[in-house]
Amino acid sequence: ILNVEQSPQSLHVQEGDSTNFTCSFPSSNFYALHWYRWETAKSPEALFVMTLNGDEKKKGRISATLNTKEGYSYLYIKGSQPEDSATYLCAWCNAGGTSYGKLTFGQGTILTVHP
Amino acid sequence: EAQVTQNPRYLITVTGKKLTVTCSQNMNHEYMSWYRQDPGLGLRQIYYSMNVEVTDKGDVPEGYKVSRKEKRNFPLILESPSPNQTSLYFCASSLRGIDRGPPYEQYFGPGTRLTVT
Repeated sequence: ILNVEQSPQSLHVQEGDSTNFTCSFPSSNFYALHWYRWETAKSPEALFVMTLNGDEKKKGRISATLNTKEGYSYLYIKGSQPEDSATYLCAWCNAGGTSYGKLTFGQGTILTVHP
Repeated sequence: EAQVTQNPRYLITVTGKKLTVTCSQNMNHEYMSWYRQDPGLGLRQIYYSMNVEVTDKGDVPEGYKVSRKEKRNFPLILESPSPNQTSLYFCASSLRGIDRGPPYEQYFGPGTRLTVT
């Protein structure tokens, strides 16, 4: 199994703080990088899918960047709110051979935003 | 309403008793996938399908079977369930990029909580 690693594992911030997390993935056989938000007792929901080196995506206060050459992506949340509390997952999509189209998820970063 | 449905949502069964968890999507998505979620291990892909009649192993396929005879359905079969298959299972689907490209954002079903005793 090719590793996708996320850091930190968990994060506690105060309301209004800005924060960021990292997803590291194999730089070879890269096809796409996904970010998901997963709230407790719900199903994961997609935030972004990025395919090109240097991609930057934004949705409201959340943005993400992608570096495929060095194998990392950053997710940023500006002015965190309590409703941003969730687990944030990244997933690397494999372009190689018999694993074409396979998605490997990281273990997630658990964000807790305190009022 | 566009959605991915899974049935059953909860299941308690005994070791060795064959079971099927159904998954259906109404969005005409090419890509479908099954994941299991275990504490401390995140989401792990079991099997995926890039299109009808095409299935491939994910990272943890042992003990599972799938089939993709129709575009909308992707059932997960446990021929002889064991206690280590106790988990929360998610089905997901997505479109694919142009020219048979990678899967786009996954739409997840509500999950099936399986307990094997």
